[in-house]
Amino acid sequence: AQKITQTQPGMFVQEKEAVTLDCTYDTSDQSYGLFWYKQPSSGEMIFLIYQGSYDEQNATEGRYSLNFQKARKSANLVISASQLGDSAMYFCAMREFQRGGSNYKLTFGKGTLLTVNP
Amino acid sequence: NAGVTQTPKFRVLKTGQSMTLLCAQDMNHEYMYWYRQDPGMGLRLIHYSVGEGTTAKGEVPDGYNVSRLKKQNFLLGLESAAPSQTSVYFCASSSTRYGYTFGSGTRLTVV
Repeated sequence: AQKITQTQPGMFVQEKEAVTLDCTYDTSDQSYGLFWYKQPSSGEMIFLIYQGSYDEQNATEGRYSLNFQKARKSANLVISASQLGDSAMYFCAMREFQRGGSNYKLTFGKGTLLTVNP
Repeated sequence: NAGVTQTPKFRVLKTGQSMTLLCAQDMNHEYMYWYRQDPGMGLRLIHYSVGEGTTAKGEVPDGYNVSRLKKQNFLLGLESAAPSQTSVYFCASSSTRYGYTFGSGTRLTVV
């Protein structure tokens, strides 16, 4: 079973509108972290936002917010006031904390290609 | 600038040739990783390291070997390249907190 599921291969949004990119995850751990990365056409991986499983409030970073619903195991990314420069591939990822505190195996979803239309 | 540096950025190999991809980080991170990215597949973990002298297999390790002789370097080797290894390879490093830093990627084509 996939650990990270992104069900939207592609999304379109009008400039200045908000858009939600879906992400559901599967883990039996109580302690984990959820990430969103942006990959523009140039190829680099840009960190956007992080949510820890014990964080009580939803994470926000500028125009990015993470709608974290722990019981539903979802961690949707909300981009407000879309800009043309937001057109990119977006990846959701999860890190599960192992016993002893080692942190590795960041697991990625397959991504959502967002296109912002003028 | 501090970060993760990957060399080379592009490479074309013939089937059966070997090569080594180098990843270097200057942030004193303990953990380093090699991922491959294929269309529609996201990033998949090849091998990783939790410290100098240690390596472990990830999700798709077959056909690759790694070494971490120095804390700042993580090498990915292809002993006998195959067309199925055509991909974009990303190296990343992380600290004990939540910060992962990715390199800019290596685009490898095996013909």
